Amino acid sequence: EAQVTQNPRYLITVTGKKLTVTCSQNMNHEYMSWYRQDPGLGLRQIYYSMNVEVTDKGDVPEGYKVSRKEKRNFPLILESPSPNQTSLYFCASSSRQTTYNEQFFGPGTRLTVL
Amino acid sequence: LAKTTQPISMDSYEGQEVNITCSHNNIATNDYITWYQQFPSQGPRFIIQGYKTKVTNEVASLFIPADRKSSTLSLPRVSLSDTAVYYCLVRPPGTYKYIFGTGTRLKVLA
Repeated sequence: EAQVTQNPRYLITVTGKKLTVTCSQNMNHEYMSWYRQDPGLGLRQIYYSMNVEVTDKGDVPEGYKVSRKEKRNFPLILESPSPNQTSLYFCASSSRQTTYNEQFFGPGTRLTVL
Repeated sequence: LAKTTQPISMDSYEGQEVNITCSHNNIATNDYITWYQQFPSQGPRFIIQGYKTKVTNEVASLFIPADRKSSTLSLPRVSLSDTAVYYCLVRPPGTYKYIFGTGTRLKVLA
């Protein structure tokens, strides 16, 4: 089954404790992206990747890191999480064949930073 | 900087046609405009995309005027299960980052 998976689905952590949210897709998509969703602010792109070893900032990259060492994986790293990073995070992927617009989303990761 | 605007919410009755408009300035001239549907606690789901004029698929139509400064998602004969938040998605010129619209919460009433 074609899908985007994220882990963990729920995470409660404390300020400053490094964490990684994993994202994996099995559709051989070139484009992968991370979004955060907050009430009143909608969905905002954090980082995106056009292909392996190619990443770039979205609209809200501060406090986050990403890497794309393999085509299928695109982990989101919070080196020193802060309470303002409490949010619902979505990973997405898409193919160059659809001009990247048709993005497939994962189920989301709900992060709480205390 | 691309900026998108949508109505915050809309109510409709079952069986009616619903039109949701997204205003978007400064978008890439060579890219599609895309619409998504999102249910609570789920990721957005692709509905339809178009480049210009009108596109129709099995669930919706999309109207895009010649100036491409707006787009209108049309849902024919909505049902209760269409209650969701609808977003447009656009790309600013010169970049491959994407901007979601502010989202429209559609409530379908029986």
